[in-house]
Amino acid sequence: AQSVAQPEDQVNVAEGNPLTVKCTYSVSGNPYLFWYVQYPNRGLQFLLKYITGDNLVKGSYGFEAEFNKSQTSFHLKKPSALVSDSALYFCAVRAPISNYQLIWGAGTKLIIKP
Amino acid sequence: DTEVTQTPKHLVMGMTNKKSLKCEQHMGHRAMYWYKQKAKKPPELMFVYSYEKLSINESVPSRFSPECPNSSLLNLHLHALQPEDSALYLCASSRDSEAFFGQGTRLTVV
Repeated sequence: AQSVAQPEDQVNVAEGNPLTVKCTYSVSGNPYLFWYVQYPNRGLQFLLKYITGDNLVKGSYGFEAEFNKSQTSFHLKKPSALVSDSALYFCAVRAPISNYQLIWGAGTKLIIKP
Repeated sequence: DTEVTQTPKHLVMGMTNKKSLKCEQHMGHRAMYWYKQKAKKPPELMFVYSYEKLSINESVPSRFSPECPNSSLLNLHLHALQPEDSALYLCASSRDSEAFFGQGTRLTVV
């Protein structure tokens, strides 16, 4: 079965430190990979995507993600965390012939402490 | 412009009421979606419209009825809902890859 795993329910990071939010997937073929962020009582905001090309992709708000095909991972990173980065982060994957359907991870709550 | 606009932002309705949620995008996207999201959970796909035709219905109860009047608008008609239908309802649209989401309608069924 196709799936996306975000192994950490919550990640705590001190402000100014680097952060990593993990995502691994089990999807056949060459999937499209996405990260979204959700602030309380808000919709989902697109952060970045990987479709093809350079394994390191840069997105909004200083976030980047590294695609690793051998490990089937797409971890979200930021060199220096801000308190305002505190939010719920979702990894999502779309299989090549999925007909628009996204497979979502369970979400990781990121808490940045001053 | 990467905006998807949803109205209303909040809705409280009784179990015998009929109401509608509205969604609008002007990005020329041909795929539009309705999702349901419970607190701290990932969104659950309900419906997909592709080129104004319903292409996916994820076995959603008939008390939810989608409508796509044109390429920019998407409605979700609600009737005889249950308290467990209370959730954040998200509309999204996409062209080729990433989906763009609206801010959602927070629905409470009493």
